[in-house]
Amino acid sequence: AQSVTQLGSHVSVSEGALVLLRCNYSSSVPPYLFWYVQYPNQGLQLLLKYTTGATLVKGINGFEAEFKKSETSFHLTKPSAHMSDAAEYFCAVRGGATNKLIFGTGTLLAVQP
Amino acid sequence: NAGVMQNPRHLVRRRGQEARLRCSPMKGHSHVYWYRQLPEEGLKFMVYLQKENIIDESGMPKERFSAEFPKEGPSILRIQQVVRGDSAAYFCASSPGEGNTDTQYFGPGTRLTVL
Repeated sequence: AQSVTQLGSHVSVSEGALVLLRCNYSSSVPPYLFWYVQYPNQGLQLLLKYTTGATLVKGINGFEAEFKKSETSFHLTKPSAHMSDAAEYFCAVRGGATNKLIFGTGTLLAVQP
Repeated sequence: NAGVMQNPRHLVRRRGQEARLRCSPMKGHSHVYWYRQLPEEGLKFMVYLQKENIIDESGMPKERFSAEFPKEGPSILRIQQVVRGDSAAYFCASSPGEGNTDTQYFGPGTRLTVL
């Protein structure tokens, strides 16, 4: 079985500060990992994904994430937060015999001026 | 290339009525997924369909819920005899193939409110 844990349902940072959103996964097969962002009353937009190869993955809007197998983690980072980054972020895992995405409970990011 | 389309965006039903949610995948995509987002929760997988076939319905409630993806037309998620607990946002996603690395592209969702 696969699962995702996102530590911190709410994270608040100042504009210009580092953004770090944590995601740990559990998977009995090599995982494929995804980060999605959801703005209020909208659908989910893919930020980045890890499938195979390079463990540091760069995405849109300056975000990146690093797959660390030894720590079963896929934390999302951005060096400098912008007001427009305020949204809810979801980590998801997929793999094995199923194509469905298993989502974490989400982290709501607030950016203070 | 138009994205995933869902309609209606908002749907209000009274208890006992039927709700029909429609999803048109991106052009060229033949795989559709439905997810439900309850208040204060993440998205939960419901069902995975290809044209005219249900591939995985492990997340569908056993009663009142059904889904189809006909040869022609959009995918439909149908909820019969709705109850207040069905109030949620329902998201559809599509992908071009069945590979595990395929990106699922999400629609804007249908927000169902049951009075």
